[in-house]
Parts: sequence; C-alpha cells; structure tokens
Amino acid sequence: DTAVSQTPKYLVTQMGNDKSIKCEQNLGHDTMYWYKQDSKKFLKIMFSYNNKELIINETVPNRFSPKSPDKAHLNLHINSLELGDSAVYFCASSQVRNSYEQYFGPGTRLTVT
Amino acid sequence: DAKTTQPPSMDCAEGRAANLPCNHSTISGNEYVYWYRQIHSQGPQYIIHGLKNNETNEMASLIITEDRKSSTLILPHATLRDTAVYYCIVRAAGGTSYGKLTFGQGTILTVHP
Repeated sequence: DTAVSQTPKYLVTQMGNDKSIKCEQNLGHDTMYWYKQDSKKFLKIMFSYNNKELIINETVPNRFSPKSPDKAHLNLHINSLELGDSAVYFCASSQVRNSYEQYFGPGTRLTVT
Repeated sequence: DAKTTQPPSMDCAEGRAANLPCNHSTISGNEYVYWYRQIHSQGPQYIIHGLKNNETNEMASLIITEDRKSSTLILPHATLRDTAVYYCIVRAAGGTSYGKLTFGQGTILTVHP
C-alpha cells in the first residue's frame, strides 16, 4: 500500500489555467506538507496543515491555495498558472506537527506552457 | 538553524561502505541531525536522525562527533540503488518551526559496479 500518494503524476497545462493536485496519506498522521522542487532541484516548503489547520504558510503567491478536507488529505489548488510554476510538487506527512521525520509522496511534475 | 556543509559529490564502489560527511559547526545543543535522500525523480526519503549518540537502523548508521560539529552517514554495503542525493539537515526537535525542513544542495552519491 502506498503511504503517501499524489495525483496526477504528470500535469501539463497552459498559462492562465487553474489546476489542482491531490494528496492522500494512509499513515494516520496528523500533519501534511506541500514542497516545491524547482528546475535547480532546490526543495522548499510551501504549506503545512495539522489536523486541517494551516500551520506553515511560506511566502507563496496567493494563487496557491491548499485545502485540507480531513487530516488524511491535503490538496493544492493553483489559479492562473504561470510559466514559473513549472516544478515538481511533493506532498509529505508526519505523525505530529513538529516532526522532521516526514514521509514524502512520489511527486507531481507540473509543466506550464 | 545551524548551517550544514556537504561535499557536492562522492563515488563509492558497490558492496563497499559509503561514508557521507556533513559539517555543522554552529549546531546548538537542542538540534538534531537528520539525513534524507532523494533517488532520481522520487520523493525524499527519511533515513535516520540523531542528537549526540551514534544511531543505527536498517538503512544506515549515523556517527556524530563528540563535539557534535560534524557527522557521517554510513551506508554499510552500498548498492546501485543507493545512488541518490543525500541531504544533511540540522533542526531543533519540537519548537515553533512546525516541521519545516530546509533542504540544501546535498551530496550526489554515485555507486558504481
């Protein structure tokens, strides 16, 4: 069974479109995260939710809106996509909110044309 | 957070031990050393963490110097599947950072036959 899953794995879309990436974890963890890995391979945190509450919100354009319907799911919605949004987006989860032992999903490669 | 320094790349022969160094000379007393790796195109994978004692699990061993200013991740019998980017991260457990992992450039380990 996949612990942290993301859909879709690949997403190709045009500038200006709105898209969503879904993440689910079956580990029973309380905290979930979104990270972005750009073309230079730097991995940076974007958001974190603990029991559906937003606890980390890095300097991310407000076109990005995370949504957590329950503690097993954290979705990422992106409005008005731009070329610079092209990256690999990773979802992760951890048992508690201040844990650095995190479990990552396989990533979603977003390409904006 | 303490800064970490890792060599950009290392090679290792298959079956031999891979020793990956990390310098963290400004580490504070309450900061742990965490190691993650990222195999090509996959999400980062937690390996091990420690405070001051040496640690071992099924994946690796972590040796932390007595002054805690450096550490070494040891993969005892490297295989081709261990080829990856290895990240050394220093963070204080708990606190108000809420699990915010900061990834540097890491060390690209190449295991060759």
